[in-house]
Amino acid sequence: QKEVEQDPGPLSVPEGAIVSLNCTYSNSAFQYFMWYRQYSRKGPELLMYTYSSGNKEDGRFTAQVDKSSKYISLFIRDSQPSDSATYLCAMKSSARQLTFGSGTQLTVLP
Amino acid sequence: EPEVTQTPSHQVTQMGQEVILRCVPISNHLYFYWYRQILGQKVEFLVSFYNNEISEKSEIFDDQFSVERPDGSNFTLKIRSTKLEDSAMYFCASAEENSSPAQYFGPGTRLLVL
Repeated sequence: QKEVEQDPGPLSVPEGAIVSLNCTYSNSAFQYFMWYRQYSRKGPELLMYTYSSGNKEDGRFTAQVDKSSKYISLFIRDSQPSDSATYLCAMKSSARQLTFGSGTQLTVLP
Repeated sequence: EPEVTQTPSHQVTQMGQEVILRCVPISNHLYFYWYRQILGQKVEFLVSFYNNEISEKSEIFDDQFSVERPDGSNFTLKIRSTKLEDSAMYFCASAEENSSPAQYFGPGTRLLVL
């Protein structure tokens, strides 16, 4: 079983839609849960991170963590064409390294 | 806004040659990392570096790889004898403190080994 699993998509939505992106994981030691956005041929850009279970909101983005289910989500409200990118979940235990999902490719159609 | 920079943006080399990838982390950050992403695959951790020494490394980071902080601003990854399978995007990242998960990534160096 892979440590972090993420549906690669591709996912296409109309502008203004609510987008839901998800990852599951198997390592109970993960404590920090991050979402990165990666445009084509660019470096990952940190969107937000959460510690342990719960919700965190930042503008149009909401991150949710359910440690009991080992399931994390990122919701994007009022999606815009500029949100079109690959979204990567990443997780961290007490170790320094990040463990990434494979990424979900999102296209928001105008 | 401060950012991580990397040079070169692209590097083409022959198999068996040495390459050095360079990074300038965010100035007040203390923890530095290298990751790589083979085309179409996940971002993979290579190595972390703190206080002038390696703190963690993955199985990928074998004896042909080395890292160095030669001065107060640069952080380098050297691949001693490149192989075809080293072709990938190499990302440098930096973080302010150990307890923060917020690692900030550079734009990457695209390495192609022929």
